[in-house]
Amino acid sequence: LAKTTQPISMDSYEGQEVNITCSHNNIATNDYITWYQQFPSQGPRFIIQGYKTKVTNEVASLFIPADRKSSTLSLPRVSLSDTAVYYCLVPSGSARQLTFGSGTQLTVLP
Amino acid sequence: NAGVTQTPKFQVLKTGQSMTLQCAQDMNHEYMSWYRQDPGMGLRLIHYSVGAGITDQGEVPNGYNVSRSTTEDFPLRLLSAAPSQTSVYFCASSRDRFNYGYTFGSGTRLTVV
Repeated sequence: LAKTTQPISMDSYEGQEVNITCSHNNIATNDYITWYQQFPSQGPRFIIQGYKTKVTNEVASLFIPADRKSSTLSLPRVSLSDTAVYYCLVPSGSARQLTFGSGTQLTVLP
Repeated sequence: NAGVTQTPKFQVLKTGQSMTLQCAQDMNHEYMSWYRQDPGMGLRLIHYSVGAGITDQGEVPNGYNVSRSTTEDFPLRLLSAAPSQTSVYFCASSRDRFNYGYTFGSGTRLTVV
């Protein structure tokens, strides 16, 4: 099972870079790692997806080491509006379900 | 581009009643799925579909039925509502089950009394 483990919560200040690390020790060779953001009373929003090394888009970067047993979502210069729950997903189990764990509650302080 | 549309946004049911939650997408996505989210928890997969005519069970399928007669629509049916089904329900779609991000609807908040 490629179960994921993330910190339950993190605090940061506006303008700082935030790194959220997810461990997925049993990820399969060909599986992608996907991150979502969720605000209260809204559906999750896709942020970024990667397979290896580094992926960057207009909102975040995703760093994946060579062993792929973890990944780090990097949010540059966060603002108050980045306060949300962030989920890391990889397929798990024989049925290869994409399971949302409890996620990481990021709180950005002024 | 509407994306994923869920109706209704809110619903109150009495125990034992049945209802259908509607989900429609206009992105020609093959993959669609239903999740439920209980307070303070992550999303749990109920059912999913990899294309018209194909459905499968997720983590928590009991008490729910689905069908996929068209690419666009993926309704979720509650056969006999129970208080344990009080939750927020999200529908999602994607080009592919694993290799693309999901687009989620805005959710249906269901209360069973």
